[in-house]
Amino acid sequence: DTGVSQDPRHKITKRGQNVTFRCDPISEHNRLYWYRQTLGQGPEFLTYFQNEAQLEKSRLLSDRFSAERPKGSFSTLEIQRTEQGDSAMYLCASSLFANTEAFFGQGTRLTVV
Amino acid sequence: EDQVTQSPEALRLQEGESSSLNCSYTVSGLRGLFWYRQDPGKGPEFLFTLYSAGEEKEKERLKATLTKKESFLHITAPKPEDSATYLCAVKAEGYKLSFGAGTTVTVRA
Repeated sequence: DTGVSQDPRHKITKRGQNVTFRCDPISEHNRLYWYRQTLGQGPEFLTYFQNEAQLEKSRLLSDRFSAERPKGSFSTLEIQRTEQGDSAMYLCASSLFANTEAFFGQGTRLTVV
Repeated sequence: EDQVTQSPEALRLQEGESSSLNCSYTVSGLRGLFWYRQDPGKGPEFLFTLYSAGEEKEKERLKATLTKKESFLHITAPKPEDSATYLCAVKAEGYKLSFGAGTTVTVRA
């Protein structure tokens, strides 16, 4: 399978705990995006990497959120001190060029209890 | 700020009953308009990219069109398997896609 892969698919955590999600993009894609989606809404942009450089971050990405793409391949998204409002689907996408289609993974469903 | 508005929010169709979904957008310098399909609990699945007014793309029962202010997704003779949420997104300056809230289509047999 050469699609975007995300792990885990589901995560339940207690409020205040830290969580980390992983994304493996399509292998030849050097552009990687993180989005967050809540019920009934479209995905909202969080951050963008070109190779290992993080070039854009949304204001939604508070200081509790951090993303890395250390070698320009897979990426991780960490949320520290989780809050109930962090409950959402976290989606990763990758694209080959800046203005071409982005392909999404199946997402990680986070539930904070 | 880029704005994308999709209508209607929900659409219930009988199998074979053709219809259209609307995506209105306000952006500065459109670089591309994208349609995705999303099934419950899954990530968006890419359908079409449109770059300029007058452009049309077709795939099976779906056809996407683009004007300077809006895009339409036409569903011809839908089947129950076309039931999904259809998302519209635009890319302008910068790197992000700005999504609408989607139209949830239910097709009854």
